[in-house]
Amino acid sequence: QSALTQPASVSGSPGQSITISCTGTSSDVGGYNYVSWYQQHPGKAPKLMIYDVSNRPSGVSNRFSGSKSGNTASLTISGLQAEDEADYYCSSYTSSSTLKVFGGGTKLTVL
Amino acid sequence: QLQLQESGPGLVKPSETLSLTCTVSGGSISSSSYYWGWIRQPPGKGLEWIGSIYYSGSTYYNPSLKSRVTISVDTSKNQFSLKLSSVTAADTAVYYCARLLFTSFDYWGQGTLVTVSS
Repeated sequence: QSALTQPASVSGSPGQSITISCTGTSSDVGGYNYVSWYQQHPGKAPKLMIYDVSNRPSGVSNRFSGSKSGNTASLTISGLQAEDEADYYCSSYTSSSTLKVFGGGTKLTVL
Repeated sequence: QLQLQESGPGLVKPSETLSLTCTVSGGSISSSSYYWGWIRQPPGKGLEWIGSIYYSGSTYYNPSLKSRVTISVDTSKNQFSLKLSSVTAADTAVYYCARLLFTSFDYWGQGTLVTVSS
């Protein structure tokens, strides 16, 4: 069982917006602004899409945005495109001895 | 452009030690701004952080693996390495090396599948 909880799957049609949630505790997501989001296409390495809750690395489309409220972080993808179909993982720093935890992943299907 | 490349055996016998090396190119592993880490992903499952190392040799390990993990760095070769002892089938996974910028992994290797089987 993953330390951070994500929905197993979400779906949306091209052009729509979707949001993926990532729920933790006050020891991780809620306690620090150190939430990251990764995109992983089949057979490929994960790619950093959002860091420190809401910051985009250079080169990442502004259709991707991140936010946080309490113990839940969210990744929103607007203007869905076929190429967005992938698995998405959240991650957070944690004050527990584990230091770094991941969510179980969410499979995004573009209908 | 920074690149990371994992290397090592793709098949390890149960109870033996898994050994992987990550070679960094296009940048220095001795940069004071970064840690370097290992992450694994069992087939069809999610990501698990294994541990991280600074160029000085300072390490942090996932407590669930700490008793079996050793991560080391060789700055002269621009490489860092992972050793995982007493492996079982549960350690079968794709192993990734990555650069850690504060709390996010911003550059990843392509990953290498390690199968534990006799």
